[in-house]
Amino acid sequence: SAVISQKPSRDICQRGTSLTIQCQVDSQVTMMFWYRQQPGQSLTLIATANQGSEATYESGFVIDKFPISRPNLTFSTLTVSNMSPEDSSIYLCSVRWGNGYTFGSGTRLTVV
Amino acid sequence: AQTVTQSQPEMSVQEAETVTLSCTYDTSESDYYLFWYKQPPSRQMILVIRQEAYKQQNATENRFSVNFQKAAKSFSLKISDSQLGDAAMYFCARGAAGNKLTFGGGTRVLVKP
Repeated sequence: SAVISQKPSRDICQRGTSLTIQCQVDSQVTMMFWYRQQPGQSLTLIATANQGSEATYESGFVIDKFPISRPNLTFSTLTVSNMSPEDSSIYLCSVRWGNGYTFGSGTRLTVV
Repeated sequence: AQTVTQSQPEMSVQEAETVTLSCTYDTSESDYYLFWYKQPPSRQMILVIRQEAYKQQNATENRFSVNFQKAAKSFSLKISDSQLGDAAMYFCARGAAGNKLTFGGGTRVLVKP
């Protein structure tokens, strides 16, 4: 299966600042997915990122808050902008591979 | 909204015993996939088992098996001979059109030695 390297693994950030999370895949993939997992909760899809086009955002998520880049078929970034304590969550990227999905190891973000 | 529901927030099982986790889902599609993922404290999402909706035969992976009832939109996971390493959060998920995954709320499995 595809292997995803996600960075950083964790970070503590000041409110009002931004953090960019990176995911590098060892194979070319068409779509990459970004999820948020709030403390004690399940995974919620933020957006789907296709190479060469704008990301498609789910209801409740907007590009100004979570801009995504997808410059090639193996890499994507998610930025969490103008952070508040409510943004404290685990953020995960994922790709579809074969008949399953592979996930990055997640980024634990704490906003203080 | 098409949802995935896990009605058991937490399940406890004795080591070497069997535990069954429930999952129901909603979909208007005829072709889809269902998954169970395990998330230990390391937060890595680990695929446990996958079921294609068009297959009637229930999927099995070693000690893990599913009971897939398509008409009832039910997809339960059975863990046999439970081991301490099985302790984790378990998420049921449905793959939909556009390749998006929708997750249930999760079930925490505790394994007692």
